[in-house]
Amino acid sequence: QSVLTQPPSVSGAPGQRVTISCTGSNSNLGAVYDVHWYQQLPGTAPKLLIYGINNRPSGVPDRFSGSKSGTSASLAITGLQTEDEAGYYCQSYDTSLSGWVFGGGTKLTVL
Amino acid sequence: EVQLLESGGGLVQPGGSLRLSCAGSGFTFNMHAMSWVRQAPGKGLEWVSTISDSGGTTSYADSVKGRFTISRDNSKNTFYLQMDSLRAEDTAVYYCAKCSRSGYYKGDYFDKWGQGILVTVSS
Repeated sequence: QSVLTQPPSVSGAPGQRVTISCTGSNSNLGAVYDVHWYQQLPGTAPKLLIYGINNRPSGVPDRFSGSKSGTSASLAITGLQTEDEAGYYCQSYDTSLSGWVFGGGTKLTVL
Repeated sequence: EVQLLESGGGLVQPGGSLRLSCAGSGFTFNMHAMSWVRQAPGKGLEWVSTISDSGGTTSYADSVKGRFTISRDNSKNTFYLQMDSLRAEDTAVYYCAKCSRSGYYKGDYFDKWGQGILVTVSS
């Protein structure tokens, strides 16, 4: 069981908006450290999608955005496209475990 | 262009050992912490270990502490994961990842990833 909790799956139609939640605790998301998000397309390595809550690396479309409040974070994807179909993971640092932690991952299906 | 290339994976019997290597290029290797992250078949990502830019600081997930050792050779732009006393549950694709900052920062993230290498522990 992952320290950060994500829904196993979400879905949406092309053009729609979806959100993926990431719920933690005071020892991770509620602590001083930021949350980051990764996208993993089928059969490929993860790719950094959002860092520092809501910053996008060069090349990531502005359809992707992040937010955080207290011990929870969210990834929003607007204008869904078929190529967005992938696994999405949140990540932070846990002070109790003294290590980096990932959410269990969410599979996005574009209907 | 940043590139990370893993090597050394394969099939090993339970209780055996394996050493993974990750060669980095396209960035100043000795100015970044580096990490290993694994993914068991059909499962999510699990952080394994991180080493600071100088190699002076290391950290491990509880699941591998005492069995795995991370190290680096900055003269070769390469870092390693020595895996001993391997168990079936260590079977996974192992990714090497570049940390975004120099030094060792707990709020850091993994801005570049290798393609991954499969380690299978089975008799």
